[in-house]
Amino acid sequence: GENVEQHPSTLSVQEGDSAVIKCTYSDSASNYFPWYKQELGKGPQLIIDIRSNVGEKKDQRIAVTLNKTAKHFSLHITETQPEDSAVYFCAARAGSARQLTFGSGTQLTVLP
Amino acid sequence: EAGVAQSPRYKIIEKRQSVAFWCNPISGHATLYWYQQILGQGPKLLIQFQNNGVVDDSQLPKDRFSAERLKGVDSTLKIQPAKLEDSAVYLCASSHSGSGGAGTQYFGPGTRLLVL
Repeated sequence: GENVEQHPSTLSVQEGDSAVIKCTYSDSASNYFPWYKQELGKGPQLIIDIRSNVGEKKDQRIAVTLNKTAKHFSLHITETQPEDSAVYFCAARAGSARQLTFGSGTQLTVLP
Repeated sequence: EAGVAQSPRYKIIEKRQSVAFWCNPISGHATLYWYQQILGQGPKLLIQFQNNGVVDDSQLPKDRFSAERLKGVDSTLKIQPAKLEDSAVYLCASSHSGSGGAGTQYFGPGTRLLVL
């Protein structure tokens, strides 16, 4: 089955700096890659996603890049703010009927 | 639009007891998922429903876990008997899709279970 590895497990940045979280996946048939943000005591919330026919996608301060050849994708957050502090999960899915496999999460702390 | 509702939010039980969780998905969402999230890990799918039918329950420990979605709307997840390793957050998610789950998954707040 699919295996998703996520790095780093913890990341601290100064407010205003950029943060990058990286994930690799094993199933070459995976074609959908969402990123979720989970705040303490809450469920994961989708923040951005990318499909395999696109190499990069941006939404304001958040961007995701995908390298299908290397089977890795990354989340980039620019101009970080304290409210960006949370756990971020990447995930991958091979086909619409296949399950979503999550990475192990990255605890991002933005220091004021 | 109301989000995914779950109850209870917290539950503490002793091992070998039984427990049930309830989920009400976003109105109109045909696909419903139950995930188990152990502390420090990502969510792991337990079961996926399409309307009232099971699409994937390959990772559900069927000797102790059961789930149903009788009318294709609300769902319940039951554990009987509970073990210490069942301590986790149980997340319910739903998506608007007629093809088995291609849509964005929206998560509820989860139920935090502690088994003593």
